[in-house]
Amino acid sequence: DIQMTQSPSTLSASVGDRVTITCRASQSISPYLAWYQQKPGKAPKLLIYKTSNLQNGVPSRFSGSGSGTDFTLTISSLQPDDFATYYCQQYNSYSWTFGQGTKVEIK
Amino acid sequence: EVQLVESGGGLVQPGGSLRLSCAASGFIFSSYWMTWVRQAPGKGLEWVANIKHDGSERYYVDSVKGRFTIARDNAKNSLYLQLNSLRAEDTAVYYCATNHYYAFETWGQGTMVTVSS
Repeated sequence: DIQMTQSPSTLSASVGDRVTITCRASQSISPYLAWYQQKPGKAPKLLIYKTSNLQNGVPSRFSGSGSGTDFTLTISSLQPDDFATYYCQQYNSYSWTFGQGTKVEIK
Repeated sequence: EVQLVESGGGLVQPGGSLRLSCAASGFIFSSYWMTWVRQAPGKGLEWVANIKHDGSERYYVDSVKGRFTIARDNAKNSLYLQLNSLRAEDTAVYYCATNHYYAFETWGQGTMVTVSS
């Protein structure tokens, strides 16, 4: 099975900061890599699908990139609403796997 | 409005069974692959199972194979997850979700399953 490792596990940042979260796969994966935002007590929200496609309604400050085993989620200018936990998720051969999550905290 | 509403969670003893339901509305349910994802208390997300739009293909995470069964009734716009031989480690919030380019687009609010004696 493909393992997904996110880094960092926790990130402290300020409003206006540029934030980058990394997701590394244990082997080369398809471009079907997605990113989610989850707030406490709420269901996850899809932000990015197929590595770099912005989901409808998601602000353009979110972007995704990567290929092979290394993928990134970037928030260009962190806003108060962005403090949350972020997960990557990959698809390969009828198996789906999430990363362990990255919590973005207020610095 | 696209909506998914889960139900059927509760407290069950180890070895017991439970059937979760997910009622879909606001979209053409029969055109979508559907998914169950779970989240143990204080933990991350775990994909559980997927089912093709017509029910002809089903896929499971290894830890639930042989114990859980995903099913759907397109006439009733409903998705199901039958949970058998439950273990303490199955305790989690269970979410249903639609599939979009192998990602999970629309999510329900979740239903809590607690396995404890």
